[in-house]
Amino acid sequence: KAGVTQTPRYLIKTRGQQVTLSCSPISGHRSVSWYQQTPGQGLQFLFEYFSETQRNKGNFPGRFSGRQFSNSRSEMNVSTLELGDSALYLCASSLGAQAPQETQYFGPGTRLLVL
Amino acid sequence: AQSVTQLDSHVSVSEGTPVLLRCNYSSSYSPSLFWYVQHPNKGLQLLLKYTSAATLVKGINGFEAEFKKSETSFHLTKPSAHMSDAAEYFCVVTLQGGKLIFGQGTELSVKP
Repeated sequence: KAGVTQTPRYLIKTRGQQVTLSCSPISGHRSVSWYQQTPGQGLQFLFEYFSETQRNKGNFPGRFSGRQFSNSRSEMNVSTLELGDSALYLCASSLGAQAPQETQYFGPGTRLLVL
Repeated sequence: AQSVTQLDSHVSVSEGTPVLLRCNYSSSYSPSLFWYVQHPNKGLQLLLKYTSAATLVKGINGFEAEFKKSETSFHLTKPSAHMSDAAEYFCVVTLQGGKLIFGQGTELSVKP
């Protein structure tokens, strides 16, 4: 099975712009979660989508949003970019049973640089 | 509340010597615990996971971890380090609903 894929791998944007990142989960996985990784804050949970619905949400401002399509692919959007949004954005897919022992499989990430 | 603490931000070992990466957790119920590894500019790869079936868990690349409830620990070990083990390692606990809580990470350096 193909793994989790993320596009693009690298992005450079300027403050005030918006950006859309894409994530394709492993075939058969219905849950997609997004994480932000920065040197200062580490890995932080953004949100999770399951069956086209946001099921969980972390503590990020409303500038961060996402959606999921019927084929389970997910997009994450950040509007009005700030310098502090520079980070590695990781998505992870899982079957979606919400069992604590369920494994999440991560993509390679999209590295966003905001200038 | 669930949380996880990685006790060392950086560990340095020589090639061929044992590796010990320490992780303590806090959980109000029987937790599921994971170790992930992240090589530079890569995503996270699952090394192993504990789900209450056995307290000693074997993972990929010779790594293993032991769940000790009395010590609330889930330390990661490997008998003999290899240069390719140099990476950042994350201890993770899951909440009800599947949300992951990450430790701050331990960077492992391996000297020749």
